[in-house]
Amino acid sequence: GESVGLHLPTLSVQEGDNSIINCAYSNSASDYFIWYKQESGKGPQFIIDIRSNMDKRQGQRVTVLLNKTVKHLSLQIAATQPGDSAVYFCAENGWGTSYGKLTFGQGTILTVHP
Amino acid sequence: DTEVTQTPKHLVMGMTNKKSLKCEQHMGHRAMYWYKQKAKKPPELMFVYSYEKLSINESVPSRFSPECPNSSLLNLHLHALQPEDSALYLCASSQGVDNQPQHFGDGTRLSIL
Repeated sequence: GESVGLHLPTLSVQEGDNSIINCAYSNSASDYFIWYKQESGKGPQFIIDIRSNMDKRQGQRVTVLLNKTVKHLSLQIAATQPGDSAVYFCAENGWGTSYGKLTFGQGTILTVHP
Repeated sequence: DTEVTQTPKHLVMGMTNKKSLKCEQHMGHRAMYWYKQKAKKPPELMFVYSYEKLSINESVPSRFSPECPNSSLLNLHLHALQPEDSALYLCASSQGVDNQPQHFGDGTRLSIL
């Protein structure tokens, strides 16, 4: 079946550095992607989303890049802070009869050292 | 604070008990979801409700029974659960199912004895 996966399970950075978290997806028909942050003991928190008609989208300190040619998604966090330490998931929305079915990647643990 | 409220936050139950998980949102969203998340794993979809009708059931065992009494509420009724059902149960909502961000509650941590 189709799946969404991550290249790196863990990422350790220094405070102030930029972080990049990567995600590969396999369903070329996918047209909507979301990045979530999950802190310990909490539910996933929406960070940013992107539709397949876009290559790049920016938020506050975050940028998502979508490369449909190689089916790759990335999340860039600028000036990473200790509060950014969490597990980050990419997710792919199903389409057609699977609208609403989010399929999550395995997650990347981001650790930010002061 | 999340705008999706789940109760209780923690639940311990025996395999013969019947209990319910509750989820509420007041964002006017018309789609609601149940996910199951095991430790160190991503959330996995269980059920999708769209306009109060069940639209997706991911082959979930019948010991889990969802209910959507109105557009703001979503319940998950539990009966005769197994120890492997111990997990974090997450509720989410979105404006619609078609390419709208889902917003999650903080979950109910369920332990089956």
